[in-house]
Amino acid sequence: GQNIDQPTEMTATEGAIVQINCTYQTSGFNGLFWYQQHAGEAPTFLSYNVLDGLEEKGRFSSFLSRSKGYSYLLLKELQMKDSASYLCAVVDSNYQLIWGAGTKLIIKP
Amino acid sequence: NAGVTQTPKFRVLKTGQSMTLLCAQDMNHEYMYWYRQDPGMGLRLIHYSVGEGTTAKGEVPDGYNVSRLKKQNFLLGLEPAAPSQTSVYFCASTYGDNYQPQHFGDGTRLSIL
Repeated sequence: GQNIDQPTEMTATEGAIVQINCTYQTSGFNGLFWYQQHAGEAPTFLSYNVLDGLEEKGRFSSFLSRSKGYSYLLLKELQMKDSASYLCAVVDSNYQLIWGAGTKLIIKP
Repeated sequence: NAGVTQTPKFRVLKTGQSMTLLCAQDMNHEYMYWYRQDPGMGLRLIHYSVGEGTTAKGEVPDGYNVSRLKKQNFLLGLEPAAPSQTSVYFCASTYGDNYQPQHFGDGTRLSIL
């Protein structure tokens, strides 16, 4: 079967750095997405990785290792508005999008 | 910039009633999707469409029907509604295939008593 694992919940402090991990076992791989979803709102696109390595976008970076079936989302200089759920999703060999259950990130002052 | 608009935003139904959720996008996107999101679970694909007049089953299609008569609209029907269909429903669209980021509507919160 296909599986994506993320921690259910994480807590971090305002101004700090947090790393949210995502591991996947899927039938093939054609890319990995990260989305942010604030409570009661729609998911919004953060990043897309298809090659190994780190991609940086301002305070957010996303890393991919295809050989390890592993990705992480790195959030720097945390702000209260970063409190949200972060969803990992993988495009499999049939070009279907497989979603993880999401990681709820709680930011404390 | 409307993007993806879902109607209605909230609804309470009784078991056995019928309901149609409407999704409209103004971005000229080819692909449209209906998901449900339940606590502790990832987004689950119900049905999707790769173009006007086409529909296909996703991961959890039972109890739902869809239609895409116009490119900009994707309708999701529950007929009849069952308590197991209580959920938050999201519509999404992309310009092309699943390499493209999906644009989501604000969701429809549906309770079936």
